[in-house]
Amino acid sequence: GAVVSQHPSRVICKSGTSVKIECRSLDFQATTMFWYRQFPKQSLMLMATSNEGSKATYEQGVEKDKFLINHASLTLSTLTVTSAHPEDSSFYICSARGSFGRDNEQFFGPGTRLTVL
Amino acid sequence: RKEVEQDPGPFNVPEGATVAFNCTYSNSASQSFFWYRQDCRKEPKLLMSVYSSGNEDGRFTAQLNRASQYISLLIRDSKLSDSATYLCVVPINDYKLSFGAGTTVTVRA
Repeated sequence: GAVVSQHPSRVICKSGTSVKIECRSLDFQATTMFWYRQFPKQSLMLMATSNEGSKATYEQGVEKDKFLINHASLTLSTLTVTSAHPEDSSFYICSARGSFGRDNEQFFGPGTRLTVL
Repeated sequence: RKEVEQDPGPFNVPEGATVAFNCTYSNSASQSFFWYRQDCRKEPKLLMSVYSSGNEDGRFTAQLNRASQYISLLIRDSKLSDSATYLCVVPINDYKLSFGAGTTVTVRA
């Protein structure tokens, strides 16, 4: 149980285009979903936290107008990178948290590798 | 001071060796800790949770030293498949996690 999927797993796009990444909890209801970004040889950095039906909470330094997050249901959250630029190329990972499990336990999706040309 | 700091390594060890490394954290109020394993270009996977003084799961042992604010991970009888980056994770509050940059372990035949 506690499986999280992401789609697409890899995307290559031209500079200036927008890219949408989906994160789904397949076998549980995710009360909270998290979006992380990881640059090569660096730690995962939390970008934003989203709760179903409410606006996402963005971390300091993350532009909410550039990284649009929608958490419309208890099993789906989407991250849209708007007007992507080469510096947005990164590994984007979502995680989900349900009402079960130990405190702070998050289940991670397989990640989406974004390359902006 | 960073919330979570790790020795980046790499630790290069032969098969069968024991390897250990530490993670220091800044928040003395932290009550739970996690070790995740991350393979190249993959998502992190939970390896072990630590809620008290330590935890042991097969060849892996995690120990917590609250006085010095560090958690260690020890891998015994290392296998080639143990080659990965090990992430130390410390909750910041009841929903946010702080990740260390990871310790790279390479086990050679």
